[in-house]
Amino acid sequence: GAVVSQHPSRVICKSGTSVKIECRSLDFQATTMFWYRQFPKQSLMLMATSNEGSKATYEQGVEKDKFLINHASLTLSTLTVTSAHPEDSSFYICSANDRDRTDLFWGSYNSPLHFGNGTRLTVT
Amino acid sequence: AQTVTQSQPEMSVQEAETVTLSCTYDTSENNYYLFWYKQPPSRQMILVIRQEAYKQQNATENRFSVNFQKAAKSFSLKISDSQLGDTAMYFCAFMKPGSGGGADGLTFGKGTHLIIQP
Repeated sequence: GAVVSQHPSRVICKSGTSVKIECRSLDFQATTMFWYRQFPKQSLMLMATSNEGSKATYEQGVEKDKFLINHASLTLSTLTVTSAHPEDSSFYICSANDRDRTDLFWGSYNSPLHFGNGTRLTVT
Repeated sequence: AQTVTQSQPEMSVQEAETVTLSCTYDTSENNYYLFWYKQPPSRQMILVIRQEAYKQQNATENRFSVNFQKAAKSFSLKISDSQLGDTAMYFCAFMKPGSGGGADGLTFGKGTHLIIQP
């Protein structure tokens, strides 16, 4: 089945440094990837939509200069948390939309939305 | 904007029992999809079941079934013959079609922590 690889799974960094998280589709092409944030014991909140070859679309309240998203290829999107602070500590999850099965999505049972395993970021 | 509400923060049932998790949502869209995702302690998001809004027939996947009431904007999940491995967080999610026919981001409810007791 389709796999989304997210790396690293865990990262600890010092306040003020930047951290890059990768989301990679391994056996399909993803024109669209989504980045979510999940605080402990809370739900997933959509941060931004990453489109290959164009600028990301950020949800209201998400600082685009702090959470830099790059979707340079059909298989890779990166989220960079710049000048990280302790309040940025969270669980970040990506999901990818299977481009080649999107048209089937609305008529078939199989979802083209595949999730990565998440990245736990701790800022000290 | 869409909202998804799960009013049960936690539920606990005995193994083999049937349990129903509730979910309501609010939207002005007519065409959309609803999902139930399971998140075990590993934090991996696992699709349990999905429902197309244009279908009146409730989706079923083995022990999992939904009761989709479009007019009431209700989408409950029933788990039959519950198993210990069903213990997890369960999130109800809404998605509308994205621009250009692609998928849009998911709007999640706050989740229900389901505990299956032996």
